[in-house]
Amino acid sequence: KAGVTQTPRYLIKTRGQQVTLSCSPISGHRSVSWYQQTPGQGLQFLFEYFSETQRNKGNFPGRFSGRQFSNSRSEMNVSTLELGDSALYLCASSSPGHGQETQYFGPGTRLLVL
Amino acid sequence: SQQGEEDPQALSIQEGENATMNCSYKTSINNLQWYRQNSGRGLVHLILIRSNEREKHSGRLRVTLDTSKKSSSLLITASRAADTASYFCATDPQGGSEKLVFGKGTKLTVNP
Repeated sequence: KAGVTQTPRYLIKTRGQQVTLSCSPISGHRSVSWYQQTPGQGLQFLFEYFSETQRNKGNFPGRFSGRQFSNSRSEMNVSTLELGDSALYLCASSSPGHGQETQYFGPGTRLLVL
Repeated sequence: SQQGEEDPQALSIQEGENATMNCSYKTSINNLQWYRQNSGRGLVHLILIRSNEREKHSGRLRVTLDTSKKSSSLLITASRAADTASYFCATDPQGGSEKLVFGKGTKLTVNP
């Protein structure tokens, strides 16, 4: 099976702009989660989507939003970008099974906000 | 929120030696997972241990879990230069709103 893919791999934006990142999960996986990784805060959970519904949400401001399509592909949007949004954004997919969910991560999108 | 805390933050060893990394967490969990990340790339899942398990093996990896102490350890035996990476523990918290809660990781360097 093909792994999790994320596009684009690199992005440069300026403050105030918005950005949309895309994630295609492993075929058959219906859960998609997003994480932000920065040197200062480490890996932090943004949100999880399952069957087009947001199932879990981390502690991020409303500027961070996401959605999931019927084919399980997911997008993440960040509006009004700030310098601190520069990070590696990782997407992970999984096939739900209580107590034993392995997350399969994509290569990430590296966002630089200038 | 950062629940897991890895120890040590950095570890440098010679090829062939064993590497041990520890992880502590704060709340009850469904399972604990270990991931590897090479140089700012995506994470690779290594091993998952459920809350009712105490030890698990996978190749050169051995993971232990002590839920009473809320801690886990990852042992890599006979390390290789290719094992050089950052290693993260991640907990799946019971009843939590977060999918996985990661620690800050241990940076392992294996010198040839």
